[in-house]
Amino acid sequence: RKEVEQDPGPFNVPEGATVAFNCTYSNSASQSFFWYRQDCRKEPKLLMSVYSSGNEDGRFTAQLNRASQYISLLIRDSKLSDSATYLCVVNESGTYKYIFGTGTRLKVLA
Amino acid sequence: GAGVSQTPSNKVTEKGKYVELRCDPISGHTALYWYRQSLGQGPEFLIYFQGTGAADDSGLPNDRFFAVRPEGSVSTLKIQRTERGDSAVYLCASSLTGGDDEQYFGPGTRLTVT
Repeated sequence: RKEVEQDPGPFNVPEGATVAFNCTYSNSASQSFFWYRQDCRKEPKLLMSVYSSGNEDGRFTAQLNRASQYISLLIRDSKLSDSATYLCVVNESGTYKYIFGTGTRLKVLA
Repeated sequence: GAGVSQTPSNKVTEKGKYVELRCDPISGHTALYWYRQSLGQGPEFLIYFQGTGAADDSGLPNDRFFAVRPEGSVSTLKIQRTERGDSAVYLCASSLTGGDDEQYFGPGTRLTVT
């Protein structure tokens, strides 16, 4: 089983739609969780950290479920500019190692 | 201010050759990471520096790969006896102090081994 698993997609959604991605992780001792965004042929950029209590940043909401070992990202009112690959990132507890998922590709259609 | 820069942006080399990839982190960032990204995959951790020392090199695939950061700023990833399987985009990231600080990525070096 991969350490961090994501559905690669693509998810094709119309503008204005709400879309959600999940990411599962295998190491129950993992402590830190993030969502990064990567545009085609560009470098990844931090979208948001994921806290135990969940967090929201505008149209984006991230949640953590430790019992089931997954994190989620919800995007409301999708924009064309949200089209990108969304990478789930998990930090191995007690290490400096950040494990990236393969990414979920989102395409928002006009 | 200036972000993370990497040189060269593209490198084509023949199988068996030696290559060096350079990373200039954001000024003042003590933490530096190297990743490798193949097509359709997420970045794969290679090595982490805190200052001049490699705090975690567990992601280096084998002893052909080596990285240094002699003055705690610029880092060089060195690959000996390159193989076609080494072809990938090599990404460098830096963060202020490490830990859960945001990692800022450079644009990457696309390495092609022919």
